[in-house]
This record gives sequence, structure tokens and C-alpha cells, in this order.
Amino acid sequence: GAVVSQHPSRVICKSGTSVKIECRSLDFQATTMFWYRQFPKQSLMLMATSNEGSKATYEQGVEKDKFLINHASLTLSTLTVTSAHPEDSSFYICSALADRENQPQHFGDGTRLSIL
Amino acid sequence: SQQGEEDPQALSIQEGENATMNCSYKTSINNLQWYRQNSGRGLVHLILIRSNEREKHSGRLRVTLDTSKKSSSLLITASRAADTASYFCATEKAAGNKLTFGGGTRVLVKP
Repeated sequence: GAVVSQHPSRVICKSGTSVKIECRSLDFQATTMFWYRQFPKQSLMLMATSNEGSKATYEQGVEKDKFLINHASLTLSTLTVTSAHPEDSSFYICSALADRENQPQHFGDGTRLSIL
Repeated sequence: SQQGEEDPQALSIQEGENATMNCSYKTSINNLQWYRQNSGRGLVHLILIRSNEREKHSGRLRVTLDTSKKSSSLLITASRAADTASYFCATEKAAGNKLTFGGGTRVLVKP
């Protein structure tokens, strides 16, 4: 149980393109989803916390107009990287959390974004 | 600096040996979690230990938590080549709150 599906797994696109990444909890309802960014050989950096039906909470230094997050339902959150540039190239990972205490986050398999 | 600091940053061992990695943190926590990440993949949850627990086991994994020292350890016994991965500790300060990850320990198990 507790499967999180993240799609696509890999995106290569030209500079200026907007890219949408989906994160779905397949067998549980996720009241909260998180979006992380990870640089090579580094740890995960939290970008934003997404709650169903409300605006996302962004971490300091993360541009909310650049990284649009929509948590439309209890099983789906999307991250759109708008007008992507080469410096946005990274590994983006989502996770989902059920509404119960002391539960781990369940992670998607990540999206490798490469902007040419 | 990060909430979680892990030590060592990298570890290379032979198959069959034990691997121990440590995590320190700075503030009070609700729980501490350990995750594994294979190269280019997402994170896999290993063990969650609550702030009122001191030790937890899962298969070949043993996690300890010392809240007085604000530290935790992960022990992998009888390691296998398939255990090669990066291991991260993460702390949750309040229920349902965000996780703060440590820098990770890269473990290489040589066959």
C-alpha cells in the first residue's frame, strides 16, 4: 500500500517551455503533499507544502510564480515550472502524507527535468 | 546549517559487514524517520521512531533515538550489495508537519 505515482519521470525541453509534473497518491487520500528539489549528490530541499483545497505554502527563496502548485483533490497535486530555464534543471520529487499522526511521507519516483 | 546532520557522509564496506550511520538534530521533534534512496529514484521509507521511543527494529535495520543528545543512529546488519544507496534521516517537528532532511550518508557495499 501507500503508493505515490509521479509523472513524467523524465522531461527534456527547450528554454521557455512550461512543464507540468503530476503527483498522485494511488491507494490513500493525501491531505498534504510536498514538493522537493534535489541537486546531484545533495539532500532534498523542500520547495513547498500543498494542502488540498488551499494555497500552497512556499519555502523561503522559492518563487511561487515560477513554481505553480495546484492540489486539486485528495489524490492529486501538480507542480508547473513556468518558463523554464537551464538553471531550473534538477530532480523534482513529490511526497504525500495521509491525515494520521506519526505516519511517514510516501515519495514518488522523481522527475528528472533537463532544460536545454 | 541543516536540522539533521549525518555522519559519515560516505561509507564503504564489504558485503556481510555492518554499517552504522548517525544523525544529529537541533530542535525538539515529534518523530525521526530514516529513508533510503537508490540513485535516480525517489525515497523509500525505512523506519519511523517517535520521540518517546528509544529503539526500533525492522528486519536487518536497527534505529536508536537519544532525545537528550538529539541524535539517532541507523544500523544495517549483515549488509548486502543491494543495500548500496544513500540513507537520509529526517525530523518532523510537529504532527503532519514538514520534514527536515539531513545531508545523507552514501553507502557502498562491495560484493
